[in-house]
Amino acid sequence: DVKVTQSSRYLVKRTGEKVFLECVQDMDHENMFWYRQDPGLGLRLIYFSYDVKMKEKGDIPEGYSVSREKKERFSLILESASTNQTSMYLCASSLVGAGTGELFFGEGSRLTVL
Amino acid sequence: QKEVEQNSGPLSVPEGAIASLNCTYSDRGSQSFFWYRQYSGKSPELIMSIYSNGDKEDGRFTAQLNKASQYVSLLIRDSQPSDSATYLCAVRVGGYQKVTFGIGTKLQVIP
Repeated sequence: DVKVTQSSRYLVKRTGEKVFLECVQDMDHENMFWYRQDPGLGLRLIYFSYDVKMKEKGDIPEGYSVSREKKERFSLILESASTNQTSMYLCASSLVGAGTGELFFGEGSRLTVL
Repeated sequence: QKEVEQNSGPLSVPEGAIASLNCTYSDRGSQSFFWYRQYSGKSPELIMSIYSNGDKEDGRFTAQLNKASQYVSLLIRDSQPSDSATYLCAVRVGGYQKVTFGIGTKLQVIP
């Protein structure tokens, strides 16, 4: 059974803190994605990675960075958390080529920044 | 203009009826189209993918694609209360790994 695991389901952080969200997939997928989901705005792409150490900005990369040191792991970093980064964060993975777009999602990490 | 547009709903249909969900996209280079279902408090899950013009059927679900009109739809036949969820349309532009989602349409199936 395919699996994308996000390390934390719920986090509460303070403004200015550094936040790490981790995601691990066991499907040997090349692509990994970080989205945030907000009411009325839908899913918005933050960053994605198509290979180890490779990354591409999505639609809303400001205030975020990512790291992909191993194929199975993709981390999202908030260098200095702000209240407008309170959101649900979803990690996903997929194959490259024709399989791209057939995303498998993790359970999500709900981040609250106070 | 948003890249992928959906009516947020809610769309209410009686049990047993056909639910019709619609999506338009702006980039004519789009080549891959997907429908995801998201139950409240859960993550999206893929239910249909379609890559060429026409209809694709899978059980009670039919995806329809019209590239000339830049239009994708999802039909759910014999709707059940368990189909009540938000349905997300997603699009991938050919040659790119980026997948863009619409805001989703909330479907309510009334028993």
